[in-house]
Amino acid sequence: GAVVSQHPSRVICKSGTSVKIECRSLDFQATTMFWYRQFPKKSLMLMATSNEGSKATYEQGVEKDKFLINHASLTLSTLTVTSAHPEDSSFYICSARGIGEGAAEAFFGQGTRLTVV
Amino acid sequence: ILNVEQSPQSLHVQEGDSTNFTCSFPSSNFYALHWYRWETAKSPEALFVMTLNGDEKKKGRISATLNTKEGYSYLYIKGSQPEDSATYLCASYKLSFGAGTTVTVRA
Repeated sequence: GAVVSQHPSRVICKSGTSVKIECRSLDFQATTMFWYRQFPKKSLMLMATSNEGSKATYEQGVEKDKFLINHASLTLSTLTVTSAHPEDSSFYICSARGIGEGAAEAFFGQGTRLTVV
Repeated sequence: ILNVEQSPQSLHVQEGDSTNFTCSFPSSNFYALHWYRWETAKSPEALFVMTLNGDEKKKGRISATLNTKEGYSYLYIKGSQPEDSATYLCASYKLSFGAGTTVTVRA
C-alpha cells in the first residue's frame, strides 16, 4: 500500500504554545487528507477534511481557529494546535486519499501523541 | 456525514471459530462503505471498499458483504486466529468512522 508519514510521533508542549503536526504522502498525490482525534477508549473522531489548495472543511464542534489545517500541496497537510491546553492532549492521526474520491481507500499515518503540560 | 453504526462494540472469539459483525448506515444516498482493521500500535489498514449492492469481497479469511437497500454491511472472519485480534472500523465514503468492533481471539 501507499505510504503516509506523520511527524512527530510524540510531542510534549507547554500550555499556551502551538504545535504543528505534519502529514506527508510519500509515494502518491493526496487530493484529500483527513485529520482525526482519538479520545481515550474511543474510536477515531473525524476533525476535518482538506483538499489541496482549498480551505479545510471542519466537522461540527471542531474549532477551526484552534485546529488550523493547511493543505498547501498534494503531498503535505499540516495540523497546528494553537494555544494548546491540557484538554487538547490526545492522539491525532491523519490519512490521505488519492483520486477516486469516496471509493478510493485512504492510507493512514502513524499518529501523533500530543501531551500538553 | 453519513453516520455509520457498528455492533457489537466488542466480542471475544475462540481460536478456530468464525464470527461476524455489523456496520449499519442510512440507505439513502449511498456512495461507498469502507472497512478498516486497526491493530494495537499500528495504523489503520484498509480492508475493503464496498460500492455495489450485493458486493461480496474477500481477503484471506476475512470477507464482507453489502446490502445498500437495507443499509448494512457484514464483516466475517472465518477460522479466527490470534492475529485477527484488532478493532474493525467501518466508515462512510467521507471517511467518518463508526465506533468500531474490537475482536479478541482467545487461543
